[in-house]
Amino acid sequence: NAGVTQTPKFQVLKTGQSMTLQCAQDMNHNSMYWYRQDPGMGLRLIYYSASEGTTDKGEVPNGYNVSRLNKREFSLRLESAAPSQTSVYFCASSETGESYNSPLHFGNGTRLTVT
Amino acid sequence: AQSVTQLGSHVSVSEGALVLLRCNYSSSVPPYLFWYVQYPNQGLQLLLKYTSAATLVKGINGFEAEFKKSETSFHLTKPSAHMSDAAEYFCAVTFYGNNRLAFGKGNQVVVIP
Repeated sequence: NAGVTQTPKFQVLKTGQSMTLQCAQDMNHNSMYWYRQDPGMGLRLIYYSASEGTTDKGEVPNGYNVSRLNKREFSLRLESAAPSQTSVYFCASSETGESYNSPLHFGNGTRLTVT
Repeated sequence: AQSVTQLGSHVSVSEGALVLLRCNYSSSVPPYLFWYVQYPNQGLQLLLKYTSAATLVKGINGFEAEFKKSETSFHLTKPSAHMSDAAEYFCAVTFYGNNRLAFGKGNQVVVIP
């Protein structure tokens, strides 16, 4: 099983450019998430989708948009990249966001640098 | 405010020695508790989770954690460190009434031969 697949693995952008990070899961999970990881900050939730057709803001949503394309895919878009968005981005999925006990399955991350 | 705390960003341990990583949460109601591990250039993997069935939880790779309600803690231990345990470890908490997972800031474990 592939699990959670993220593309691209690496990306360098110039300030003001836009891009979309792609994420797909093959575990038939209902809930999907986007996190960013910065040194000393742990993981911070950007957006999540509890089920197909719904999306909600997390802790740090400013500067990002998301699309839950179908049950498998959840994309993250940066409309106008800023240096503060330099980070490692992780997509994750879980069986259901309504079950507090449902663990997350993570992709291997996208390393984004904005110059 | 509800929060999860991991102290000491970097932890050095000798090979064969005890690994102890501390996690405390702030909540009057016991939450759901997890430990995740991240190996270099990879995503996070579930190490273990507290399900309320038992206060001592065993996970993968010889790790275990004990839930102590009176101390609002969920510390992670492994009796004997191995070189392959070098990784970053995150405590994560889902607080009652909020289905979002809150992560601690992580502990980078270095194993010294």
